[in-house]
Amino acid sequence: SQQGEEDPQALSIQEGENATMNCSYKTSINNLQWYRQNSGRGLVHLILIRSNEREKHSGRLRVTLDTSKKSSSLLITASRAADTASYFCATVGENSGYSTLTFGKGTMLLVSP
Amino acid sequence: GAVVSQHPSRVICKSGTSVKIECRSLDFQATTMFWYRQFPKQSLMLMATSNEGSKATYEQGVEKDKFLINHASLTLSTLTVTSAHPEDSSFYICSAKGGGAGDPHEQYFGPGTRLTVT
Repeated sequence: SQQGEEDPQALSIQEGENATMNCSYKTSINNLQWYRQNSGRGLVHLILIRSNEREKHSGRLRVTLDTSKKSSSLLITASRAADTASYFCATVGENSGYSTLTFGKGTMLLVSP
Repeated sequence: GAVVSQHPSRVICKSGTSVKIECRSLDFQATTMFWYRQFPKQSLMLMATSNEGSKATYEQGVEKDKFLINHASLTLSTLTVTSAHPEDSSFYICSAKGGGAGDPHEQYFGPGTRLTVT
């Protein structure tokens, strides 16, 4: 079953601007991951943040996690047209034996040149 | 490293026939593989989890007799859609995780298979 809810569902920005996507979830987690999917393609893992971490960076990506609010955000700085894709958050439950991922509904990001 | 392939990338079949999709981990041994289904403009829904040499665990609402999963080796899992119908048309994505380097919670995704049933 889906747990995460991303907002916004769609986001349209200009190149160079920052893009912020949010994700909320319902149950206790071991970690939260963000993935990117280009249209009709597989998923690319972007970043994993553990439940005891609050912030993580990777290149132009910054992820925050607030377990008290059961929410996370993904910030893409200085966006490029090539960042156009759908972005999904996915959680691994606290007691998930197989590290099963539960995906949110995703945010479609469009970056215009 | 950690590359997962799927074959075929696209398949069109007639209603009533069966289709097999392969998922391979190319450079690591996948102790666990996952199969997802994705409808247009929607998120991924987990269908089943499979471990090498054991029966797959299906999510609620997924018919195990319709979606046959075999994980016969540490590098190969197959999903067979039996007696396919137009409503089975979807994007099927597999992922794998295994021992060795890398975060144990990270899954590596295949490029997906677009199934169209006519």
